[in-house]
Amino acid sequence: AQSVTQLGSHVSVSEGALVLLRCNYSSSVPPYLFWYVQYPNQGLQLLLKYTTGATLVKGINGFEAEFKKSETSFHLTKPSAHMSDAAEYFCAVTSDFQKLVFGTGTRLLVSP
Amino acid sequence: EAGVAQSPRYKIIEKRQSVAFWCNPISGHATLYWYQQILGQGPKLLIQFQNNGVVDDSQLPKDRFSAERLKGVDSTLKIQPAKLEDSAVYLCASSLGQGSHEQYFGPGTRLTVT
Repeated sequence: AQSVTQLGSHVSVSEGALVLLRCNYSSSVPPYLFWYVQYPNQGLQLLLKYTTGATLVKGINGFEAEFKKSETSFHLTKPSAHMSDAAEYFCAVTSDFQKLVFGTGTRLLVSP
Repeated sequence: EAGVAQSPRYKIIEKRQSVAFWCNPISGHATLYWYQQILGQGPKLLIQFQNNGVVDDSQLPKDRFSAERLKGVDSTLKIQPAKLEDSAVYLCASSLGQGSHEQYFGPGTRLTVT
C-alpha cells in the first residue's frame, strides 16, 4: 500500500521568505509523485509532478520539488513567498497514474 | 478549453435524506473520478470510471452511495440515505485515459448534512 505523510498541517512564512513544505512517501514500487494546490472553494490544481528522469522538477508559480529516493521525500520549495501563495497544498503518490493517494495537506499562511 | 464542471456547488440536507451530485468532465476525457474530501483531510477516491465502466469502487460505501456514467460522458453520484459523517466536499476529476499522468479537478460540491 502507498501512503503520504505531510509534516505540519500549517506553515507560516513572511512575504519574500523561503517556502518549504515537506512530503514523505511510502511505496513498494517506484512512485510517481505530485503536488497540488487548492485555493478556497476551488478544486485542486496541479503544481508539478515527478514521473521519471530528472529528480528536480519545476512547476508553475515558481515552485519546485526534488525527488530523493534515499530519503523517500518530495519536498516542495519556493525561494520567495508571495501573498497569492496562501492556500492548501497536497502531496500525492501513485504507482500507476490511476489511484492517487493524497496526504492530509498543509495550509500555507503568508504574512506581509 | 472548458474545465470540469460540477453542480450544485453547495448543498445542505438533513440526515436520512437523499442527494445527487453531477459532474461533466473535460471533453474527450475517458477517465472520471469521484473523490470525497472531509475537512482537514486529503481527497479520498470513491470511484473511478473508464468510459462507462467502473475500474475501482473499492472505497465506495455501496450501502448508501451509488454512481453512474451511463453514456461515458457526464456522471452522477448519489447518497441515499445521508449520514452526518457524509459532510464533505465531493470532487470530480477527469483525465485523458489510463496511463495519463494528470487529473483535472472540478471546483467540488460542499455537502453539509445536519
